[in-house]
Amino acid sequence: GQNIDQPTEMTATEGAIVQINCTYQTSGFNGLFWYQQHAGEAPTFLSYNVLDGLEEKGRFSSFLSRSKGYSYLLLKELQMKDSASYLCAALDSNYQLIWGAGTKLIIKP
Amino acid sequence: DAMVIQNPRYQVTQFGKPVTLSCSQTLNHNVMYWYQQKSSQAPKLLFHYYDKDFNNEADTPDNFQSRRPNTSFCFLDIRSPGLGDAAMYLCATSSRGQPGDEQFFGPGTRLTVL
Repeated sequence: GQNIDQPTEMTATEGAIVQINCTYQTSGFNGLFWYQQHAGEAPTFLSYNVLDGLEEKGRFSSFLSRSKGYSYLLLKELQMKDSASYLCAALDSNYQLIWGAGTKLIIKP
Repeated sequence: DAMVIQNPRYQVTQFGKPVTLSCSQTLNHNVMYWYQQKSSQAPKLLFHYYDKDFNNEADTPDNFQSRRPNTSFCFLDIRSPGLGDAAMYLCATSSRGQPGDEQFFGPGTRLTVL
């Protein structure tokens, strides 16, 4: 079956760095997305990786290893507004997004 | 601003009373999606349209129907809502549905079933 695993919840301190891991098992693979979702709001796009390696976009970076079925989202210089759920989603061979349940990130002052 | 709009933002209905949720987009995207998301769970794809080509997920209950009368609008009809259908319903669009095309989400409609 198809599956996405990511931690349910993480806690970090304002100004610090946090890494949110995601492992995936899909029928085929056409890339991996990270979305941010604040409580009660819709997901918003953060990143897309299809090739191995690190993509940096401001304070947020996303890494992919296709051979390991693994990705992470790295958030630097954490701000209180980064408190949200972070959803990992893999695109399978039918171009369907397989979503994880999200990692709830709690930022403490 | 180009965007995805969902109405209403909050919908309360009674058990078994049909309800329709609407979505419109000004992005002129070919693909539209309806997701159901329950608290602390992954979004669950119900349907998607590539233009007018309708694609129903295998495990979407028959109680859920959808219409896309034109490029801009898409509707989700719940024929006989049950208590288990209380959730956030998210509409999303993507330009071509190709790899790398991000999905743009509307703000969602939170459905309460009494």
